Amino acid sequence: RKEVEQDPGPFNVPEGATVAFNCTYSNSASQSFFWYRQDCRKEPKLLMSVYSSGNEDGRFTAQLNRASQYISLLIRDSKLSDSATYLCVVKGFQKLVFGTGTRLLVSP
Amino acid sequence: DVKVTQSSRYLVKRTGEKVFLECVQDMDHENMFWYRQDPGLGLRLIYFSYDVKMKEKGDIPEGYSVSREKKERFSLILESASTNQTSMYLCASSLRGPNEKLFFGSGTQLSVL
Repeated sequence: RKEVEQDPGPFNVPEGATVAFNCTYSNSASQSFFWYRQDCRKEPKLLMSVYSSGNEDGRFTAQLNRASQYISLLIRDSKLSDSATYLCVVKGFQKLVFGTGTRLLVSP
Repeated sequence: DVKVTQSSRYLVKRTGEKVFLECVQDMDHENMFWYRQDPGLGLRLIYFSYDVKMKEKGDIPEGYSVSREKKERFSLILESASTNQTSMYLCASSLRGPNEKLFFGSGTQLSVL
């Protein structure tokens, strides 16, 4: 079983839609959780950290469910510029483990 | 803004060559990392360093070595390049801490022929 698993997508949604991605992790001792965004042919960039109580940053909401070992990312009112690959990242003992990413395509 | 600079955007080498990938960061970060990214496999950690002259193996260190003689510079070395090392190589840096934010360089697409 992979340490961090994501649905690769692509998720095709129209502008204005709400879309959600999930990510599961296998190590119950994982301590920190993040979502990174990667545009085509670019480097990953931190989108947001994920806190135990859930957190929101504008149109983006991240949730953590420790009991079921998954994190989620909700994007409301999707924009064309949200088209990218979203990487789930989990911190284990010493290092960050990246998921393979979920691709989002937002169309007009 | 933090800047992580990788010396080459594209590199083409021949099998058996020794290859050096250079990475420099300008924000006095303690931690530096080398990843490779392949379709369907995501980012995989090759080596990392939490201090000068310190290095730790990541998940896929075979065929690679690293050097960190100065805090701002972390070099990845392919001792004898092979075709299965064709990949996108990403360097990253971060401050020390439990929730360190990674800052990535723009990557080096290495092709080994």
